[in-house]
Amino acid sequence: NAGVTQTPKFRVLKTGQSMTLLCAQDMNHEYMYWYRQDPGMGLRLIHYSVGEGTTAKGEVPDGYNVSRLKKQNFLLGLESAAPSQTSVYFCASRMTGANSPLHFGNGTRLTVT
Amino acid sequence: AQSVTQLGSHVSVSEGALVLLRCNYSSSVPPYLFWYVQYPNQGLQLLLKYTTGATLVKGINGFEAEFKKSETSFHLTKPSAHMSDAAEYFCAVQEDSSYKLIFGSGTRLLVRP
Repeated sequence: NAGVTQTPKFRVLKTGQSMTLLCAQDMNHEYMYWYRQDPGMGLRLIHYSVGEGTTAKGEVPDGYNVSRLKKQNFLLGLESAAPSQTSVYFCASRMTGANSPLHFGNGTRLTVT
Repeated sequence: AQSVTQLGSHVSVSEGALVLLRCNYSSSVPPYLFWYVQYPNQGLQLLLKYTTGATLVKGINGFEAEFKKSETSFHLTKPSAHMSDAAEYFCAVQEDSSYKLIFGSGTRLLVRP
């Protein structure tokens, strides 16, 4: 049982380059999330999705776009990377119901030079 | 708006000593509360959660937390620390009406031999 899988695990980009982070879950979860983790700031929500074909903005959406074309996949795109986007990115998913816990992937470490 | 405050970015204890990690939340309605643990280079894992009912919640690895509505607190404790408990711990809150889980900034637990 793979759970939540993120690819790639590591990436280095130059300022202005673009990339897409892929998140896949095999638990048939409706809700999916993208967070970024920075030292001393905990996890901040970038975007989330409550179902296939739907997305919504979180706390820090600027500079990112997302798509949820299939229920099991949630893509995070950076159109023009900036050094401020150097971070560790986590994808998570959960069932409907507010008391359902999040299941996390192992993260993608992104460095923008 | 919801918010979560974790007192102390770093907590250091001796092996065998009591672990106490503090979490206070602000929410306009009784929320759902979670503690997650993150080991190095991994995603977050659920430690325990409070939804409704008993205010003392037991989790994995001997951890427990008590929901105190009057103090808006959900502190995490373990009677006797083990070296393997060294990790970062995150408190999180979710209101029933929200899709979003809000995280505290995290507390890194160091366990001294």
